Amino acid sequence: AQSVTQLDSHVSVSEGTPVLLRCNYSSSYSPSLFWYVQHPNKGLQLLLKYTSAATLVKGINGFEAEFKKSETSFHLTKPSAHMSDAAEYFCVVSISNDYKLSFGAGTTVTVRA
Amino acid sequence: NAGVTQTPKFQVLKTGQSMTLQCAQDMNHEYMSWYRQDPGMGLRLIHYSVGAGITDQGEVPNGYNVSRSTTEDFPLRLLSAAPSQTSVYFCASSYESGGPYEQYFGPGTRLTVT
Repeated sequence: AQSVTQLDSHVSVSEGTPVLLRCNYSSSYSPSLFWYVQHPNKGLQLLLKYTSAATLVKGINGFEAEFKKSETSFHLTKPSAHMSDAAEYFCVVSISNDYKLSFGAGTTVTVRA
Repeated sequence: NAGVTQTPKFQVLKTGQSMTLQCAQDMNHEYMSWYRQDPGMGLRLIHYSVGAGITDQGEVPNGYNVSRSTTEDFPLRLLSAAPSQTSVYFCASSYESGGPYEQYFGPGTRLTVT
């Protein structure tokens, strides 16, 4: 079985400051890990993914995430928030040949001018 | 490529009515799935399909039916709508199920059942 916990339901940052979204997972197997972003009234879009290659993964729009097996974490960061980063972010765990993705509950990011 | 398309974008139903949510993809993906999104709960899997003619239940299948007669299309049927089915519904597709494959999501259908 696998599960995902996003530790913050809401994060508020000022424009130009760093963003940190925290995700912990549990999985019986070596997982693939994803971050998706959902802008208001839109579908989900892939930000980045980890698939057992480099532990530091770079994604689109300046986001990156670090896979830490010892901490079972996959936190998402961005050095400098932009107004367009205001959205909901989902951490997702997947294992090979299993239909069931596990979604975190989501973190809503607000960016203050 | 249009990617994953869904119709309608919005729908209001009365309790007991039935309807079909349409989903199509033009990426020749074998794996397709339906999710519902409710506040604070992330996305929950309703039904999925690993290829034409093959479907199976996800976490929350009650009250919904699916079929997969072609690779491209994966409609979701609500048999007798209930207020608890008020939600946003997303269709997704990917090259294969699970593993490192990215899911491609449609824009969603916002359903209200009164």
